[in-house]
Amino acid sequence: DGGITQSPKYLFRKEGQNVTLSCEQNLNHDAMYWYRQDPGQGLRLIYYSQIVNDFQKGDIAEGYSVSREKKESFPLTVTSAQKNPTAFYLCASSIKGGTGANVLTFGAGSRLTVL
Amino acid sequence: GQQLNQSPQSMFIQEGEDVSMNCTSSSIFNTWLWYKQDPGEGPVLLIALYKAGELTSNGRLTAQFGITRKDSFLNISASIPSDVGIYFCAGQRAGSSNTGKLIFGQGTTLQVKP
Repeated sequence: DGGITQSPKYLFRKEGQNVTLSCEQNLNHDAMYWYRQDPGQGLRLIYYSQIVNDFQKGDIAEGYSVSREKKESFPLTVTSAQKNPTAFYLCASSIKGGTGANVLTFGAGSRLTVL
Repeated sequence: GQQLNQSPQSMFIQEGEDVSMNCTSSSIFNTWLWYKQDPGEGPVLLIALYKAGELTSNGRLTAQFGITRKDSFLNISASIPSDVGIYFCAGQRAGSSNTGKLIFGQGTTLQVKP
């Protein structure tokens, strides 16, 4: 079955460490996205990529970095510069990253906790 | 930043009751989506709306794209315990189709008492 796989599901990090969250999709979607979710808040866009080797900052990109070397993969690195990294991270993809209506398919999420 | 106001923030209802929630914006949208998120999982698409005035059903769920293009609502009829979760509205602003970016509401947390 096609879908989006995020790993790990749970991750613990010490302050000052960088961590990388994996996101892989086999839907043949062009666009991929990373969102951050905090309790009581909506989803906030971190980074998005419409095509391979290209990505743009979202609303809260500071302290995060991404790469898009392959169409199927869009890993997110949470760096030590991110002041409050504890959150639930959601990866998504869509078939139309450019024009037209945009429907996102989400992964199951990764919960990052900073100790 | 976020530009969608979703209400209510939370609801606690009895099984069998109907539920209504809505999203409003100061901007015009050309797409409205409604998602449901189970605890610890990613959101799953429930209904997509693409035209002003459009009314679409999915089982016990009904959603409408407001005539002004600045709002949308979701109704759930005859709620059951598995309806528990967080419901998000999301929209694509008119003129943003070249980026494909969605804006999300803050979510409505629904709890159903058996």
